[in-house]
Amino acid sequence: SQQGEEDPQALSIQEGENATMNCSYKTSINNLQWYRQNSGRGLVHLILIRSNEREKHSGRLRVTLDTSKKSSSLLITASRAADTASYFCATDEGTALIFGKGTTLSVSS
Amino acid sequence: ETGVTQTPRHLVMGMTNKKSLKCEQHLGHNAMYWYKQSAKKPLELMFVYNFKEQTENNSVPSRFSPECPNSSHLFLHLHTLQPEDSALYLCASSQDRQGIVPQHFGDGTRLSIL
Repeated sequence: SQQGEEDPQALSIQEGENATMNCSYKTSINNLQWYRQNSGRGLVHLILIRSNEREKHSGRLRVTLDTSKKSSSLLITASRAADTASYFCATDEGTALIFGKGTTLSVSS
Repeated sequence: ETGVTQTPRHLVMGMTNKKSLKCEQHLGHNAMYWYKQSAKKPLELMFVYNFKEQTENNSVPSRFSPECPNSSHLFLHLHTLQPEDSALYLCASSQDRQGIVPQHFGDGTRLSIL
């Protein structure tokens, strides 16, 4: 069953701009995770936010969580060409991690 | 380098062939996973092993057969696959089985069925 749904499906920006991706989910969660996948590579864990947290930072990444709206956002500030990748949110459903379809981010220089 | 190594990186096989995918993790984790990633579809969890015991099989066809001889190694044996099985197969590991911990992924095996 699909839990997280990212929006937009694709995003194109210029270097230096900020990129915001959103994730909506359907059922109660214990935590929400964001992952990045570069072309031809596996997924890399970026950040985990627990259900009792509202905001979390990691370098140029800022994640927010609104459990009342069942949504999360990932903000990448001052984007770089190297940020070009697909970004996935994942939520825990029981003991499984359920991934969305992802947002494809393209950063041009 | 994620600490999870998958081989081969690419595999082309006919529908009547038998092949195996291999995954090895060097992180000391206790849980290992197989995922299937097809174009324009969410990542699909196939199998879960925790302390070498299979704890989850998400209605995967029997032409996919997992094997976990120890906590560091995971195999996916393939036989009589179908064209729709062409996909990227990803292996992942985590410290334990709970969904609340990050998973570490290998770079996958790109499988093409002729």
